[in-house]
Parts: sequence; C-alpha cells; structure tokens
Amino acid sequence: DAGVIQSPRHEVTEMGQEVTLRCKPISGHDYLFWYRQTMMRGLELLIYFNNNVPIDDSGMPEDRFSAKMPNASFSTLKIQPSEPRDSAVYFCASSQGGSLNTGELFFGEGSRLTVL
Amino acid sequence: DAKTTQPTSMDCAEGRAANLPCNHSTISGNEYVYWYRQIHSQGPQYIIHGLKNNETNEMASLIITEDRKSSTLILPHATLRDTAVYYCIVRLYSGNTGKLIFGQGTTLQVKP
Repeated sequence: DAGVIQSPRHEVTEMGQEVTLRCKPISGHDYLFWYRQTMMRGLELLIYFNNNVPIDDSGMPEDRFSAKMPNASFSTLKIQPSEPRDSAVYFCASSQGGSLNTGELFFGEGSRLTVL
Repeated sequence: DAKTTQPTSMDCAEGRAANLPCNHSTISGNEYVYWYRQIHSQGPQYIIHGLKNNETNEMASLIITEDRKSSTLILPHATLRDTAVYYCIVRLYSGNTGKLIFGQGTTLQVKP
C-alpha cells in the first residue's frame, strides 16, 4: 500500500495568497484527519471526516481555513488568504472505522508551509 | 478524553531498555491508552495500545498499572533510530469516534 499521500511536500508563498494542500488517504479507510504542527502549539487536530462528511471542525482556527472531501480518495485543506502565522507542517492521516477501528491513524509525510 | 502527563525529555543508552512513563489519573473505564512516536520531520507513527492488560508487539511493550492511573512504554533494546518524541494518549475506543488529541510528549534521546 502506498500509504497516505500528501502534496505539496513544501510550499512557500506570500501573505495574502491562497494555499491548497492535498491528501489521498489509504484506500478503504473511512476516517480522514487534518493536523497542524508548530513548535509553539505542537500537534493540533483541525478537522476530521467520516465517510466524506465533516464530523468535528472545532479545531479550524478561523474562517480563512476550509476543508473538503469530495470523495473517499481525496481531501483538500485551503487557506485563503494566508498569513505568516499559518506557517506550519500540515499532516493528513487516515484510519479505518467500525469494527476495524483500532485507533491506529496512518499519517502522511506532511506539507511544510511557509508564508512570507 | 482524559489528560496525560509525561516527562519532557529522557535519555537512554543504545542497546538498553527505554522505559517511558505516562500518568493518566483521570482515565475512565472505557478509555484506552495509546502510544505514538514522531521521528524528526516525519508524521506520527502508531506503536501500541491497551485497556488494562499488558500488551506486546514487535515494536514495544505496554505496561498498565492495575488501577490504570499510569502506564509505561518499554522499548526493550533501544537503537539510535528510536530517538523521537513519544506521545501517550488516552481516548475512547469506539467505532464511531476517530480523533486523537496529542499532548507535548516525551523527547527520547538514545545515545551511543
């Protein structure tokens, strides 16, 4: 299995620009998570989906952030407009639910975002 | 989910056992203990989880005290590649609940 695939791996942009991060979960997994990691705040859960439906978006910092999951194999996290304080590593993770839910999340390699 | 407390950092000699403690004194009866680790610049990696019995897999052993208020992750023969941040997480085990909330973790430095 290819694992969770994230793109881009690195993104450098200027303040005010739109940023779109992409994630392909492991096939057959019905949970998808977006996390953000910074030195100051550690790993923060932003939002998670179950069967393509957003379940908990309480971690999304503000209206500039939005996430979608149009189908079971693709999700996006969009920041518009971006700000320097959004600089972080964004991780996507997926897991199985139902009777196969062991609590094991599989993480991608992350997208490192730098907003100048 | 119950809160966990871990030491900020620990050292371990290569080849020796690394014992990483975690306190979770407010854990409830239906909450599991999970351990993840994050090697520098990589995404977190699942290690092991348990409810009340001790658990062992190819990576580590998990020892949970009888009152379930604390646990210890044991890496039996630590190598330099085990240098990482180790997270102890308590969460409900449910087919309908997926999220994991990470704390600050313990930075384990394995030294030659």
